[in-house]
Amino acid sequence: EPEVTQTPSHQVTQMGQEVILRCVPISNHLYFYWYRQILGQKVEFLVSFYNNEISEKSEIFDDQFSVERPDGSNFTLKIRSTKLEDSAMYFCASSVVISNTGELFFGEGSRLTVL
Amino acid sequence: SQQGEEDPQALSIQEGENATMNCSYKTSINNLQWYRQNSGRGLVHLILIRSNEREKHSGRLRVTLDTSKKSSSLLITASRAADTASYFCATGRGTASKLTFGTGTRLQVTL
Repeated sequence: EPEVTQTPSHQVTQMGQEVILRCVPISNHLYFYWYRQILGQKVEFLVSFYNNEISEKSEIFDDQFSVERPDGSNFTLKIRSTKLEDSAMYFCASSVVISNTGELFFGEGSRLTVL
Repeated sequence: SQQGEEDPQALSIQEGENATMNCSYKTSINNLQWYRQNSGRGLVHLILIRSNEREKHSGRLRVTLDTSKKSSSLLITASRAADTASYFCATGRGTASKLTFGTGTRLQVTL
């Protein structure tokens, strides 16, 4: 069964360092998303991506964040200068149709720990 | 309170019993979805109910939606230990591409 894969599963970094989280969405999906979940809290939307551009982003997704689909298969989230409060589980998701009409398929997540 | 709040926050039942979780939301929606998350894992889609539907079934799952009360419930019948997980509702609305997740219900099913 097709699945969304994410790497790395866990990354530890120093505050101020750049981090890139990688995702391979399901191949025939058109919409791509990043969500994050701080330990013990709710899942929060970061950004959606369609047709090679950002469709929507939340207030969390500030200038320190960027997304890219560099080669037609990978979908990356970059945090330029990490802060302690960026420590969270980051989930990539993809969907065939836009999520306000259909289901999302999530990866297993990348746990980011900022020291 | 925020869009998408589940209650109870935690629920402990014995295997074979039914589990009911509720979700309330604040704004109009296109659909409401339920997801399951095993500890430390990704979210798995369970069921989607559209705003013009009132009830939907999938295996041991039954979801209801009351748009007048802006609430939904998820019923898991004949629960199993493997159903132990956190359950989240998520709403999609308007032309927004995002889902808004609730706070989740932690379900513990004991033998």
